[in-house]
Amino acid sequence: DGGITQSPKYLFRKEGQNVTLSCEQNLNHDAMYWYRQDPGQGLRLIYYSQIVNDFQKGDIAEGYSVSREKKESFPLTVTSAQKNPTAFYLCASCIWASRPGDYTFGSGTRLTVV
Amino acid sequence: ELKVEQNPLFLSMQEGKNYTIYCNYSTTSDRLYWYRQDPGKSLESLFVLLSNGAVKQEGRLMASLDTKARLSTLHITAAVHDLSATYFCAVDRAYGGATNKLIFGTGTLLAVQP
Repeated sequence: DGGITQSPKYLFRKEGQNVTLSCEQNLNHDAMYWYRQDPGQGLRLIYYSQIVNDFQKGDIAEGYSVSREKKESFPLTVTSAQKNPTAFYLCASCIWASRPGDYTFGSGTRLTVV
Repeated sequence: ELKVEQNPLFLSMQEGKNYTIYCNYSTTSDRLYWYRQDPGKSLESLFVLLSNGAVKQEGRLMASLDTKARLSTLHITAAVHDLSATYFCAVDRAYGGATNKLIFGTGTLLAVQP
């Protein structure tokens, strides 16, 4: 079955460490997205990508980096510059512009700073 | 800049009662989405509304869209405990040639009491 796989489900980061969250999709979707969710709050867009080797900053990109070397993969690195990284991270994908409503979400990664 | 506001942020309901969640957005949008999120889980798609006057119903939930007022509503009829969750509206816009960006409201935490 097609879908989005995020890993790991839980991740613990020490102060000053970079960590990478994985997001893989086998839906042949063009666009991929990373969102951050803090407790009791909505989802905020970190980065998004339309095509391979191209991505744009969202509303809260500082302290994060991404790559899009393959269509099916869009990993997110939380760098040491992100001062408050504890949050729930969701990856999503969609068929770009061609079919409304085709956003698919992964199951999420919960990142905690220890 | 596209902004999405929901109200109320928190809603405590008794079983059997009716209520409405409101979603306002700031600029012309192509599509309006409603999602449900259970604690610690990913997003479940409920409705996609594509045009002015669109109304969709699934069980005890009904969503509508008024693009002129930039307003969508999610109406809950005869609430039951199983509807307890956080509900998000989101809008996106295809910026001619650019990737869609899905922007979320702050969410409404619904608690249905026996």
